[in-house]
Amino acid sequence: EAGVAQSPRYKIIEKRQSVAFWCNPISGHATLYWYQQILGQGPKLLIQFQNNGVVDDSQLPKDRFSAERLKGVDSTLKIQPAKLEDSAVYLCASSLQRDAYEQYFGPGTRLTVT
Amino acid sequence: AQSVAQPEDQVNVAEGNPLTVKCTYSVSGNPYLFWYVQYPNRGLQFLLKYITGDNLVKGSYGFEAEFNKSQTSFHLKKPSALVSDSALYFCAVRDWSSASKIIFGSGTRLSIRP
Repeated sequence: EAGVAQSPRYKIIEKRQSVAFWCNPISGHATLYWYQQILGQGPKLLIQFQNNGVVDDSQLPKDRFSAERLKGVDSTLKIQPAKLEDSAVYLCASSLQRDAYEQYFGPGTRLTVT
Repeated sequence: AQSVAQPEDQVNVAEGNPLTVKCTYSVSGNPYLFWYVQYPNRGLQFLLKYITGDNLVKGSYGFEAEFNKSQTSFHLKKPSALVSDSALYFCAVRDWSSASKIIFGSGTRLSIRP
């Protein structure tokens, strides 16, 4: 069984630039999550999708972050414009269903904003 | 509000010795608790969960965790540490204010010396 795929693995941009991350969850997993992990901290949920609908985006900075999950499979997370404090690892995870607490994580995308 | 605290940033143990990684929790509903592990350059992996039932929960790679309601703790344990157990460990708790959202602690780095 293929795991959660993410790309790119690393990205370096200047502040005020835009960046997009891509995630392909495990086949058949209805729930998809995007987390932000700042160095020295635990992952923080940014947004959760159930199929192609948003379940929770309460901690997503909506003035600069956006995410979509068209067709209920792949997802993209975009930052526009980026700030220095957005430097972090962005993790994508998926689970079989909404109340499945075993989440499967991708390797993450390390973003550095200079 | 739900939260977990991991009081130790780092735990150092000699190979073959027992290990404990500490976690305390604060919840307003039933405590659903989890442990995840993050190996270098790899995504987080689910280790185990406590939902209900026996206070001693067994998980992957020989790890177990003990739920203690009176002390609001959920410590991760292993009888005999391996060098390969060296990783970053996260305790997490279900956030009852949002469907299936889990909140992670700040993490404890476990270092096993040969």
